Amino acid sequence: EDQVTQSPEALRLQEGESSSLNCSYTVSGLRGLFWYRQDPGKGPEFLFTLYSAGEEKEKERLKATLTKKESFLHITAPKPEDSATYLCAVQAGDYKLSFGAGTTVTVRA
Amino acid sequence: EPEVTQTPSHQVTQMGQEVILRCVPISNHLYFYWYRQILGQKVEFLVSFYNNEISEKSEIFDDQFSVERPDGSNFTLKIRSTKLEDSAMYFCASLGMVNTGELFFGEGSRLTVL
Repeated sequence: EDQVTQSPEALRLQEGESSSLNCSYTVSGLRGLFWYRQDPGKGPEFLFTLYSAGEEKEKERLKATLTKKESFLHITAPKPEDSATYLCAVQAGDYKLSFGAGTTVTVRA
Repeated sequence: EPEVTQTPSHQVTQMGQEVILRCVPISNHLYFYWYRQILGQKVEFLVSFYNNEISEKSEIFDDQFSVERPDGSNFTLKIRSTKLEDSAMYFCASLGMVNTGELFFGEGSRLTVL
């Protein structure tokens, strides 16, 4: 069974304090690893897809990287509006994503 | 920007009652999904739907659940006889291309079973 473990569960940052979130996974036949952002009471919002080890994607203050066993989401110089829960998910089959429990990031001004 | 819309946003029902949650996926998408998230827990896959049939379903998606695309725009999740443990946020999602993983999620329907 696919396993996705995210750490830490929660992260409190000062504005401008860069940090990284970890997603470790066990999956048979990884088709893709995905990062989503979820605001309270909302649906997940797509951020990135990574397909192979060594791949990197960037969007504003976020950068996602992938190795054979884990992915990192780096947040550079975060702002309060980056506060959210960040979800990692893996796709093994054609259709299903398996999500991790998420890391809740709080950025204080 | 195209979006997935879900109704109702919140439904309260008595245990044993039938509930239908509705979704309007993005118009040119072909793959449709239901996920659920029990408060404080992971987002869990329920079912995927393509070409008017279920393509995959999880162990959670037992006989009390069903999905339907009754017309060209709506996608529904029916829970036949609700249980307390069905209380959760239910998310509909749609996908244009199967290998991108770029699911577009709706805002969710919160189901409370009393």
